Amino acid sequence: ETGVTQSPTHLIKTRGQQVTLRCSSQSGHNTVSWYQQALGQGPQFIFQYYREEENGRGNFPPRFSGLQFPNYSSELNVNALELDDSALYLCASSYKGWEETQYFGPGTRLLVL
Amino acid sequence: AQSVSQHNHHVILSEAASLELGCNYSYGGTVNLFWYVQYPGQHLQLLLKYFSGDPLVKGIKGFEAEFIKSKFSFNLRKPSVQWSDTAEYFCAVNAERAGGTSYGKLTFGQGTILTVHP
Repeated sequence: ETGVTQSPTHLIKTRGQQVTLRCSSQSGHNTVSWYQQALGQGPQFIFQYYREEENGRGNFPPRFSGLQFPNYSSELNVNALELDDSALYLCASSYKGWEETQYFGPGTRLLVL
Repeated sequence: AQSVSQHNHHVILSEAASLELGCNYSYGGTVNLFWYVQYPGQHLQLLLKYFSGDPLVKGIKGFEAEFIKSKFSFNLRKPSVQWSDTAEYFCAVNAERAGGTSYGKLTFGQGTILTVHP
């Protein structure tokens, strides 16, 4: 069974640029959630995708957007990067239902200069 | 809005000591509760989870947690820690949506770093 994978592992961008992060969900899962983890903090929920639609969003501005594809993989796009966007971006996959349990990938470390 | 509070930022123990990490949440409805662990250089892994039923749940590597609804708490325990338990531990909560499924959002605590000395 393949776990959650993310690419790239590390990324350096400059302020104002745009970035796309990718996530492949675990086999049998149909839902992908994205989180931002700043240094020394717990992960913060960005949004979740289920059936290719956004299924809940945290307190993040519209320049954070996403997609889910028919194979349940997902992308996180961030436009107009700011220095504070530097963080570890985590993807988690799950099977939608009452006992939904999210399994996390290794993350993408983004540095904005 | 739901929130999660972990009482200790950094806990230092010697091997064989007992461990209890506190977690309290604020949400008035039905919740699902989780503990995740992040070992050095590794990604977040599920340690244990509670959905319903017996409030004492057992997880991997000898960890257990007790859900006390009246105290809005879900404390993590281990009778005897090992050096390999050195890691950061996160408590997380998600709320039940009307109709029985869960909201997708996991709300995490700020994490507790556990250092175990051999």
